[in-house]
Amino acid sequence: GQSLEQPSEVTAVEGAIVQINCTYQTSGFYGLSWYQQHDGGAPTFLSYNALDGLEETGRFSSFLSRSDSYGYLLLQELQMKDSASYFCAAPNRDDKIIFGKGTRLHILP
Amino acid sequence: ETGVTQTPRHLVMGMTNKKSLKCEQHLGHNAMYWYKQSAKKPLELMFVYNFKEQTENNSVPSRFSPECPNSSHLFLHLHTLQPEDSALYLCASSNPGQGVVTEAFFGQGTRLTVV
Repeated sequence: GQSLEQPSEVTAVEGAIVQINCTYQTSGFYGLSWYQQHDGGAPTFLSYNALDGLEETGRFSSFLSRSDSYGYLLLQELQMKDSASYFCAAPNRDDKIIFGKGTRLHILP
Repeated sequence: ETGVTQTPRHLVMGMTNKKSLKCEQHLGHNAMYWYKQSAKKPLELMFVYNFKEQTENNSVPSRFSPECPNSSHLFLHLHTLQPEDSALYLCASSNPGQGVVTEAFFGQGTRLTVV
């Protein structure tokens, strides 16, 4: 089977840096994706890591370590608009994606 | 137009009603999906279609019936639902490369309430 574990909630301060972790157990692993979902909105794609290492896209970075079955999403210079739920996800064979339960990010002014 | 459009955005239905959810994608993708999102649970994959052919049915109760008439449209027909079926139903599309989906595009979802 497959599962992805991430914390249910994280709280950080505006302007700070926050890291959201994700550990996975999969029978076949191709890479790790991250999605953002605001309340009432659609999940939107943020990043995909197929290889080990850090991928940077503006204020957001995503990291993958295949040997540790672990990845994280790093958000820098936090803004109030970053308050949302963040999901890690792993593509499977046969056109499927498996999602974690999501991490609710609360940002304090 | 947004990439993936779902209608209606909100739906309240009785347990004896029959209704349908509609999804349309304008991205030229080959694969379309239905996901169920309930509070405190992961996004649950319900159905996968690739080139209009159903490739996955994750043991979804028969009261949910999908239909994919072409690669741009996807329906979810609902009948005799239960209150526990109340959730956000999300449609998504993708272009899987060699069967691996690196990025999916989601619609805004239909918030379904069964009374």
